[in-house]
Amino acid sequence: SQTIHQWPATLVQPVGSPLSLECTVEGTSNPNLYWYRQAAGRGLQLLFYSVGIGQISSEVPQNLSASRPQDRQFILSSKKLLLSDSGFYLCAYDVGNEKLFFGSGTQLSVL
Amino acid sequence: AQSVTQLGSHVSVSEGALVLLRCNYSSSVPPYLFWYVQYPNQGLQLLLKYTSAATLVKGINGFEAEFKKSETSFHLTKPSAHMSDAAEYFCAVGSGGSYIPTFGRGTSLIVHP
Repeated sequence: SQTIHQWPATLVQPVGSPLSLECTVEGTSNPNLYWYRQAAGRGLQLLFYSVGIGQISSEVPQNLSASRPQDRQFILSSKKLLLSDSGFYLCAYDVGNEKLFFGSGTQLSVL
Repeated sequence: AQSVTQLGSHVSVSEGALVLLRCNYSSSVPPYLFWYVQYPNQGLQLLLKYTSAATLVKGINGFEAEFKKSETSFHLTKPSAHMSDAAEYFCAVGSGGSYIPTFGRGTSLIVHP
């Protein structure tokens, strides 16, 4: 069966520190992968998506970057976190059937 | 271009009452429409989706939604609310070759005993 793992569940980081959030998918090949950010009262904002290894599309210019080093691994990074990077980050995947499967999310607090 | 508007950031109902969560969409091509639910501190899970097969779509947990092209709406309903339905609900639209969905801002459903 297909599953998606996202970690860590919560993270508290100081301003200016680096960030690495990891997401892995099991049970399927060549998924489309997504990173979303959810801020209170602002819905879901698509940050990055990837249709294959090394292929990253950025939806919003920002302090974050994404990488896909392996077919089922998607990493969200930052070199220096800002206060405004705080939020709930969600990884998701689909296999081309219009249905997104979401990870359990990472609550990031930048202090 | 596509967009979604969810009317009301919070909806409060009594247990056993009708649930109605509103969603209006904008799309230049026939849309795919979705409702997702998010329980506290969790990711989203799909409730139901419309892909033109039938205008009334039944989903999990007793929810259903009706696609009304003339009103560009896809409202979510449930005849009788349960306490366990308390969650955040997101409407989303995808269309054409770019089915990556655009999400609404979400509606928080509060269920009172």
